[in-house]
Amino acid sequence: GQNIDQPTEMTATEGAIVQINCTYQTSGFNGLFWYQQHAGEAPTFLSYNVLDGLEEKGRFSSFLSRSKGYSYLLLKELQMKDSASYLCAVKDSNYQLIWGAGTKLIIKP
Amino acid sequence: IAGITQAPTSQILAAGRRMTLRCTQDMRHNAMYWYRQDLGLGLRLIHYSNTAGTTGKGEVPDGYSVSRANTDDFPLTLASAVPSQTSVYFCASSEQGGANNEQFFGPGTRLTVL
Repeated sequence: GQNIDQPTEMTATEGAIVQINCTYQTSGFNGLFWYQQHAGEAPTFLSYNVLDGLEEKGRFSSFLSRSKGYSYLLLKELQMKDSASYLCAVKDSNYQLIWGAGTKLIIKP
Repeated sequence: IAGITQAPTSQILAAGRRMTLRCTQDMRHNAMYWYRQDLGLGLRLIHYSNTAGTTGKGEVPDGYSVSRANTDDFPLTLASAVPSQTSVYFCASSEQGGANNEQFFGPGTRLTVL
């Protein structure tokens, strides 16, 4: 079966750095996406990785290792507005997105 | 620029009733999707459409049907609602159904079936 694993919840301090991990087992791989979802709102796109390595976009970076079936999202200089759920999703061999359950990130002052 | 709109925002429905959730996008995207999101679970794909006139089944299609008569609209119908269909429903679209296309999501419909 197909599986995406992420921690259920993480807590971090404003101004700090946090790393949210995602491991996956899917039938085929056509890219990995990270989305942010604030409570009661729609998911919004953060990043896309299809090749191994680090993609940096401002305070957010995403890393991929295809051989290990592993990705992480790195958030720097945390702000209170970063409190949200972060969803990891993989496009499988049918180009359908398989979603993890999401990691709820709580930022404390 | 509206992006993707969904209606209604929320709905309480009696079991056995028929219900259509509406989704409209103005981005001229070819691909559209319907997901349901339940607490503790990832988004699950119900149905999708890679282009107007075609539809496909996702992971959890039973009890749901869709149509794609034109590029902009992608309604989801529950023929006879059951309590297990209580969920938040998100419509999404992408330029194409291919690998590196990000999906844009509508605001969601919160449906409760009693």
